[in-house]
Parts: sequence; structure tokens; C-alpha cells
Amino acid sequence: DAKTTQPNSMESNEEEPVHLPCNHSTISGTDYIHWYRQLPSQGPEYVIHGLTSNVNNRMASLAIAEDRKSSTLILHRATLRDAAVYYCILSFSNSGYALNFGKGTSLLVTP
Amino acid sequence: GAVVSQHPSRVICKSGTSVKIECRSLDFQATTMFWYRQFPKQSLMLMATSNEGSKATYEQGVEKDKFLINHASLTLSTLTVTSAHPEDSSFYICSASFQGGEAFFGQGTRLTVV
Repeated sequence: DAKTTQPNSMESNEEEPVHLPCNHSTISGTDYIHWYRQLPSQGPEYVIHGLTSNVNNRMASLAIAEDRKSSTLILHRATLRDAAVYYCILSFSNSGYALNFGKGTSLLVTP
Repeated sequence: GAVVSQHPSRVICKSGTSVKIECRSLDFQATTMFWYRQFPKQSLMLMATSNEGSKATYEQGVEKDKFLINHASLTLSTLTVTSAHPEDSSFYICSASFQGGEAFFGQGTRLTVV
């Protein structure tokens, strides 16, 4: 499976935008880029996913580099409830297959 | 999004006993369910994949006789930890999907073996 690399942790102030980077230089042409987040003692929660084009939904935006070797999850206005571990995951199908979780980025949001 | 429910959310059992964890898809038919395990301060590790009506496929290093998975219906999969020991204490999480669609996760089950 193609691997992803994320910073171990990031910190943001409340109500400011947050850009969470992910490198995936060995991504294949059929890999989708997924983002999930996990709050303490809860199961992961789907955030967003994409293939080539940038994606927006009510939770976040996903910016995918033109060569697809990196992507950035954008939280437009961080809130305290956004403090979680964010996982960037590649899957070889439009989700529904087993997801291989890396270590993710632990996001701390301070008031 | 779709709802996946796990039960129980927390369980404490004695060493040597067996524990069953249920994973239900409440509003869709889950043709595939996945079971993960997460130790403290670590990431989720895939244990097995089960397709409805078929035997589960276990990841390398996961004992199929210890972690029994049943996926007899399109809305229910169960994980039974047999002869549990303290090292089996962990956070167990299931996810479910329909025919290759998005995977939805349960809220997890905290197992403590004493």
C-alpha cells in the first residue's frame, strides 16, 4: 500500500484556519485520498475524500497537488471541537475497502 | 451519514472468559465489515475483513481462533474475543460499507480484561 507522511502534531488558535499537510509521493493513479479524524475514545469520523480535483464539503476542504504527491486538509475556522487526530489515508478504490491508518496528526486547538 | 452502532461501548471481563462485541449498520446493508484494534496512543490496526455470508479474512498476526468473526446478516457482524487475557485489553472498532462505498465507523468498544 502507498504510504502517507503527516506531521505528528500541529497547533492552532480557535477561529483561525488550519492547514494539515499530507505527503503521499508513491500514490498510484487509482488511489483515492481520504481524511478521517478521531476524537478521544471514539471511532474515526469521515471528513472528506478526493481523487484529483479539490473538494469542498461542510466540514473542510481538500486541496490536492497537481502531481497528486501531496494534499492539504483545510479547516476554515478551527473550533475547540476540531481537536482530534487527523488521518490521511490512501485507498485503491472509492472507499469501502480496508483503510490502513498511519499515525496521523494530533491537532491541538487553543482558545 | 449512515449510522454504525457498536455494543457494548465498554466491557470488563475476567481473564479466561470470552466477550462478544456487536457491530450493527442501522440504516444500510453492510456487505463488508472491518474490525480494527487500537492500543493506547497508537493508531488503528486492521484485524480482519468480513463479507456477509463468507468467512472473514484475517490480517497477518491476528489469530482467527482467538478473534472469532461472524457476519451472518447484512446488518450485523460480531467479534468474539475468546479466552481473553489482559494483553487483549484494547479499543475495538468496526466499520461497515455497502458494495465498495464509503466506510462508516462505530463508536468503538473499550475492552478491559482483569
